[in-house]
Amino acid sequence: QVQLVQSGAEVKKPGSSVKVSCKASGNTFNSYGFTWVRQAPGQGLEWMGGIIPIFGSTRYAQKFQGRVTITTDESTSTAYLELSSLRSEDTAVYYCARIPHMMTVMHYFDQWGQGTLVTVSS
Amino acid sequence: EIVLTQSPGTLSLSPGERAALSCRASQSVIGTNLAWYQQKPGQAPRLLIYDASSRATGIPDRFSGSGSGTDFTLTISRLEPEDFGVYFCQQYGTSPSLTFGGGTKVEIK
Repeated sequence: QVQLVQSGAEVKKPGSSVKVSCKASGNTFNSYGFTWVRQAPGQGLEWMGGIIPIFGSTRYAQKFQGRVTITTDESTSTAYLELSSLRSEDTAVYYCARIPHMMTVMHYFDQWGQGTLVTVSS
Repeated sequence: EIVLTQSPGTLSLSPGERAALSCRASQSVIGTNLAWYQQKPGQAPRLLIYDASSRATGIPDRFSGSGSGTDFTLTISRLEPEDFGVYFCQQYGTSPSLTFGGGTKVEIK
Protein backbone atom coordinates (compact mmCIF):
# COMPACT_ATOMS: atom_id res chain seq x y z
CA GLN A 1 0.00 0.00 0.00
CA VAL A 2 1.41 3.36 -1.02
CA GLN A 3 2.12 5.92 1.65
CA LEU A 4 2.05 9.66 1.10
CA VAL A 5 4.24 11.59 3.52
CA GLN A 6 3.91 15.36 3.56
CA SER A 7 6.29 18.05 4.73
CA GLY A 8 5.91 19.75 8.08
CA ALA A 9 3.83 22.67 9.29
CA GLU A 10 4.56 26.16 7.97
CA VAL A 11 3.97 29.67 9.25
CA LYS A 12 3.95 32.34 6.56
CA LYS A 13 3.46 36.08 6.30
CA PRO A 14 0.64 37.53 4.19
CA GLY A 15 1.79 38.09 0.61
CA SER A 16 4.42 35.36 0.71
CA SER A 17 4.40 31.90 -0.88
CA VAL A 18 4.45 28.38 0.51
CA LYS A 19 5.58 25.11 -1.08
CA VAL A 20 4.34 21.84 0.42
CA SER A 21 5.74 18.46 -0.59
CA CYS A 22 4.20 14.99 -0.71
CA LYS A 23 6.51 11.99 -1.10
CA ALA A 24 5.04 8.73 -2.33
CA SER A 25 6.47 5.36 -1.35
CA GLY A 26 6.68 2.54 -3.87
CA ASN A 27 7.87 2.58 -7.46
CA THR A 28 4.66 3.22 -9.37
CA PHE A 29 4.67 7.02 -9.16
CA ASN A 30 3.88 7.54 -12.84
CA SER A 31 0.94 5.13 -12.74
CA TYR A 32 -1.22 7.57 -10.84
CA GLY A 33 -2.27 11.17 -10.58
CA PHE A 34 -1.97 13.41 -7.54
CA THR A 35 -4.23 16.07 -6.19
CA TRP A 36 -4.33 18.70 -3.47
CA VAL A 37 -7.29 19.38 -1.19
CA ARG A 38 -7.39 21.88 1.65
CA GLN A 39 -9.48 22.18 4.80
CA ALA A 40 -9.78 25.44 6.74
CA PRO A 41 -10.21 25.09 10.53
CA GLY A 42 -13.61 23.53 11.29
CA GLN A 43 -14.61 23.64 7.64
CA GLY A 44 -15.16 21.22 4.76
CA LEU A 45 -12.92 19.98 1.98
CA GLU A 46 -11.91 22.18 -0.94
CA TRP A 47 -10.30 20.84 -4.11
CA MET A 48 -7.40 22.93 -5.40
CA GLY A 49 -6.13 21.03 -8.41
CA GLY A 50 -4.33 17.96 -9.66
CA ILE A 51 -1.59 16.64 -11.90
CA ILE A 52 -0.95 13.60 -14.06
CA PRO A 53 2.83 13.07 -13.76
CA ILE A 54 3.30 10.93 -16.86
CA PHE A 55 1.96 13.75 -19.03
CA GLY A 56 2.82 16.67 -16.78
CA SER A 57 -0.71 17.91 -17.32
CA THR A 58 -2.41 19.94 -14.63
CA ARG A 59 -5.89 21.20 -13.85
CA TYR A 60 -6.66 23.83 -11.24
CA ALA A 61 -9.84 24.95 -9.56
CA GLN A 62 -10.89 28.30 -10.96
CA LYS A 63 -10.71 29.87 -7.50
CA PHE A 64 -6.96 29.27 -7.34
CA GLN A 65 -6.00 29.95 -10.96
CA GLY A 66 -2.95 32.19 -11.10
CA ARG A 67 -1.98 31.53 -7.47
CA VAL A 68 -1.40 27.78 -7.42
CA THR A 69 1.19 25.58 -9.10
CA ILE A 70 1.27 21.80 -8.80
CA THR A 71 4.36 19.94 -9.94
CA THR A 72 6.02 16.56 -9.54
CA ASP A 73 9.58 15.26 -9.42
CA GLU A 74 9.65 11.70 -10.74
CA SER A 75 13.23 11.14 -9.54
CA THR A 76 12.11 11.50 -5.92
CA SER A 77 8.45 10.40 -6.32
CA THR A 78 7.34 13.71 -4.87
CA ALA A 79 4.44 16.00 -5.67
CA TYR A 80 4.47 19.68 -4.76
CA LEU A 81 1.91 22.37 -4.14
CA GLU A 82 2.97 26.00 -4.31
CA LEU A 83 0.51 28.71 -3.31
CA SER A 84 1.43 32.36 -3.70
CA SER A 85 0.08 35.73 -2.51
CA LEU A 86 -0.96 34.14 0.76
CA ARG A 87 -3.67 35.73 2.87
CA SER A 88 -5.14 34.84 6.24
CA GLU A 89 -7.98 32.94 4.58
CA ASP A 90 -5.41 30.45 3.24
CA THR A 91 -4.79 29.16 6.77
CA ALA A 92 -5.74 25.51 6.46
CA VAL A 93 -4.56 21.92 6.49
CA TYR A 94 -3.39 20.99 3.01
CA TYR A 95 -3.73 17.35 1.95
CA CYS A 96 -2.20 15.56 -0.99
CA ALA A 97 -4.02 12.51 -2.27
CA ARG A 98 -3.50 9.85 -4.90
CA ILE A 99 -5.72 9.55 -7.94
CA PRO A 100 -5.99 5.87 -8.96
CA HIS A 101 -6.06 6.79 -12.63
CA MET A 102 -3.32 7.91 -14.99
CA MET A 103 -5.41 9.82 -17.48
CA THR A 104 -7.51 12.32 -15.55
CA VAL A 105 -7.58 14.33 -12.33
CA MET A 106 -11.40 14.25 -12.39
CA HIS A 107 -11.55 11.20 -10.15
CA TYR A 108 -11.90 10.00 -6.61
CA PHE A 109 -8.91 9.80 -4.27
CA ASP A 110 -7.90 6.51 -2.69
CA GLN A 111 -4.87 7.36 -0.54
CA TRP A 112 -4.23 10.54 1.42
CA GLY A 113 -1.24 12.18 3.05
CA GLN A 114 -1.32 13.09 6.71
CA GLY A 115 -1.89 16.78 6.02
CA THR A 116 0.25 19.91 6.41
CA LEU A 117 -0.93 22.86 8.46
CA VAL A 118 -0.16 26.19 6.82
CA THR A 119 -0.76 29.22 9.02
CA VAL A 120 -0.79 32.67 7.44
CA SER A 121 -0.30 35.37 10.02
CA SER A 122 1.46 38.69 10.34
CA GLU B 1 -20.00 24.08 -10.94
CA ILE B 2 -22.08 21.41 -9.20
CA VAL B 3 -23.05 22.20 -5.61
CA LEU B 4 -23.48 19.20 -3.31
CA THR B 5 -25.80 19.60 -0.33
CA GLN B 6 -25.52 17.03 2.45
CA SER B 7 -28.20 16.33 5.03
CA PRO B 8 -28.72 16.12 7.86
CA GLY B 9 -25.98 18.29 9.27
CA THR B 10 -25.67 16.08 12.33
CA LEU B 11 -26.93 12.56 12.99
CA SER B 12 -27.04 11.23 16.56
CA LEU B 13 -27.65 7.49 16.73
CA SER B 14 -26.99 4.53 18.99
CA PRO B 15 -24.74 1.57 18.10
CA GLY B 16 -26.64 -1.01 16.07
CA GLU B 17 -28.93 1.58 14.47
CA ARG B 18 -29.08 2.31 10.76
CA ALA B 19 -27.78 5.60 9.38
CA ALA B 20 -28.80 7.15 6.08
CA LEU B 21 -26.82 10.15 4.84
CA SER B 22 -28.04 12.17 1.88
CA CYS B 23 -26.07 14.00 -0.79
CA ARG B 24 -28.06 16.07 -3.28
CA ALA B 25 -26.50 17.66 -6.37
CA SER B 26 -27.56 20.97 -7.91
CA GLN B 27 -27.47 19.31 -11.34
CA SER B 28 -27.17 15.75 -12.52
CA VAL B 29 -23.83 14.05 -11.83
CA ILE B 30 -22.47 12.49 -14.97
CA GLY B 31 -22.46 8.71 -14.76
CA THR B 32 -22.26 7.59 -11.16
CA ASN B 33 -19.15 9.64 -10.48
CA LEU B 34 -19.73 10.16 -6.78
CA ALA B 35 -17.58 9.13 -3.80
CA TRP B 36 -17.99 9.12 -0.04
CA TYR B 37 -15.26 9.73 2.54
CA GLN B 38 -15.10 9.40 6.31
CA GLN B 39 -12.98 11.79 8.35
CA LYS B 40 -12.20 11.49 12.04
CA PRO B 41 -10.83 14.37 14.12
CA GLY B 42 -7.20 15.12 13.37
CA GLN B 43 -7.07 12.59 10.54
CA ALA B 44 -7.10 12.69 6.77
CA PRO B 45 -10.26 11.62 4.96
CA ARG B 46 -10.62 7.93 4.10
CA LEU B 47 -12.29 6.70 0.92
CA LEU B 48 -15.36 4.56 1.64
CA ILE B 49 -17.36 4.39 -1.59
CA TYR B 50 -16.59 5.30 -5.22
CA ASP B 51 -18.67 5.24 -8.38
CA ALA B 52 -21.70 5.75 -6.10
CA SER B 53 -21.90 2.14 -4.90
CA SER B 54 -18.49 0.41 -4.99
CA ARG B 55 -16.81 -0.17 -1.65
CA ALA B 56 -13.16 0.78 -1.39
CA THR B 57 -10.57 -1.78 -0.33
CA GLY B 58 -10.94 -2.85 3.28
CA ILE B 59 -14.25 -1.09 3.89
CA PRO B 60 -16.74 -3.21 5.89
CA ASP B 61 -19.90 -4.31 4.13
CA ARG B 62 -22.08 -2.40 6.59
CA PHE B 63 -21.24 0.64 4.42
CA SER B 64 -23.18 0.89 1.17
CA GLY B 65 -23.83 3.59 -1.38
CA SER B 66 -26.68 4.12 -3.80
CA GLY B 67 -28.20 6.70 -6.09
CA SER B 68 -27.80 8.39 -9.42
CA GLY B 69 -28.55 11.69 -11.13
CA THR B 70 -28.95 14.24 -8.34
CA ASP B 71 -29.72 12.05 -5.30
CA PHE B 72 -27.22 9.82 -3.54
CA THR B 73 -27.26 8.02 -0.21
CA LEU B 74 -24.64 6.50 2.06
CA THR B 75 -26.11 3.87 4.37
CA ILE B 76 -24.44 2.39 7.43
CA SER B 77 -26.53 -0.67 8.17
CA ARG B 78 -25.53 -1.21 11.82
CA LEU B 79 -23.56 1.56 13.44
CA GLU B 80 -20.39 0.63 15.29
CA PRO B 81 -18.79 2.98 17.85
CA GLU B 82 -15.84 3.54 15.49
CA ASP B 83 -18.15 4.94 12.79
CA PHE B 84 -18.31 8.37 14.41
CA GLY B 85 -16.88 11.19 12.34
CA VAL B 86 -17.75 13.47 9.48
CA TYR B 87 -18.81 12.06 6.11
CA PHE B 88 -18.27 13.95 2.87
CA CYS B 89 -19.56 13.25 -0.60
CA GLN B 90 -17.60 14.27 -3.70
CA GLN B 91 -18.59 14.41 -7.36
CA TYR B 92 -15.95 13.97 -10.03
CA GLY B 93 -17.98 13.62 -13.19
CA THR B 94 -18.57 17.17 -14.25
CA SER B 95 -16.03 19.75 -15.31
CA PRO B 96 -14.62 22.25 -14.75
CA SER B 97 -14.20 21.39 -11.12
CA LEU B 98 -14.83 18.49 -8.84
CA THR B 99 -16.63 19.43 -5.64
CA PHE B 100 -17.31 18.22 -2.12
CA GLY B 101 -20.43 18.41 -0.01
CA GLY B 102 -20.38 20.26 3.28
CA GLY B 103 -20.37 17.08 5.36
CA THR B 104 -22.62 15.19 7.78
CA LYS B 105 -21.41 14.64 11.31
CA VAL B 106 -22.30 11.26 12.79
CA GLU B 107 -22.37 11.17 16.56
CA ILE B 108 -22.65 7.95 18.47
CA LYS B 109 -25.05 8.17 21.42
